[in-house]
Amino acid sequence: AQSVTQLDSQVPVFEEAPVELRCNYSSSVSVYLFWYVQYPNQGLQLLLKYLSGSTLVKGINGFEAEFNKSQTSFHLRKPSVHISDTAEYFCAVILSSNDYKLSFGAGTTVTVRA
Amino acid sequence: EAQVTQNPRYLITVTGKKLTVTCSQNMNHEYMSWYRQDPGLGLRQIYYSMNVEVTDKGDVPEGYKVSRKEKRNFPLILESPSPNQTSLYFCASTLWAGQHNEQFFGPGTRLTVL
Repeated sequence: AQSVTQLDSQVPVFEEAPVELRCNYSSSVSVYLFWYVQYPNQGLQLLLKYLSGSTLVKGINGFEAEFNKSQTSFHLRKPSVHISDTAEYFCAVILSSNDYKLSFGAGTTVTVRA
Repeated sequence: EAQVTQNPRYLITVTGKKLTVTCSQNMNHEYMSWYRQDPGLGLRQIYYSMNVEVTDKGDVPEGYKVSRKEKRNFPLILESPSPNQTSLYFCASTLWAGQHNEQFFGPGTRLTVL
C-alpha cells in the first residue's frame, strides 16, 4: 500500500499565481513529514520539514506547509510563484518514531509559465 | 564545500556488463543510502548503510550490491545490469540515522542499460 500519495502529477501555473501541492500519507501513529524539491538536472533539496510543534511550517524560497493530523495531509503552498520554481516536488514521510527511512511520494511536476 | 558527489553522471551500457557507480561525501556522515527514481514511482531506496561495514537492503535491492569500507564512500555495484535497471540513481547521506537529520543528495546518475 502506498504510504505517501501526491494527488497531482502535473501542476501548470502562471507566474505570480498561488500554488498548492497536495500530499496525503497513510499512518495512524506519529509521523515526520518532509517536502523536497528537485530542480532540472539536479539532486533533491530539502524545502521544509515537520517533526513536532506548530502545524504550520515555513521553509525556504517562500514555501510553507500545513500538517493536518485528522486529514493525514501535509499540503505545500506558495502564495506567488516565480519561473524559477519550475521543478519536481516530492513529499516524503518517516512513518514512525522507531524508524528513520524516508518513504517518497511519486512527485508533482510544477511548471510555471510567464 | 559540503557535498555528495556521484560518478559518472551519465552512463550507457549493455546488458550483463558489470558497472560501479561511485558515491562520496565529505561531511563525515555516518548514514548513506542509494535510491532509484522512476517516473510515477518517486524515489525508492535500494540499499543503505548505518556506518562503516554495516549495510542493509532497502525496498528494491534485487540486482544491486553495495559496500562501505570507508566512511566517505558508498559505491553501488551492478554485477549484471539488465534493461529494467535503466533509471536515475541518487546517493544520499545524513549525519546519522534519525528523523531530525536532513538527508543530502548527490546530483544523480542517469543509467541506461541496452
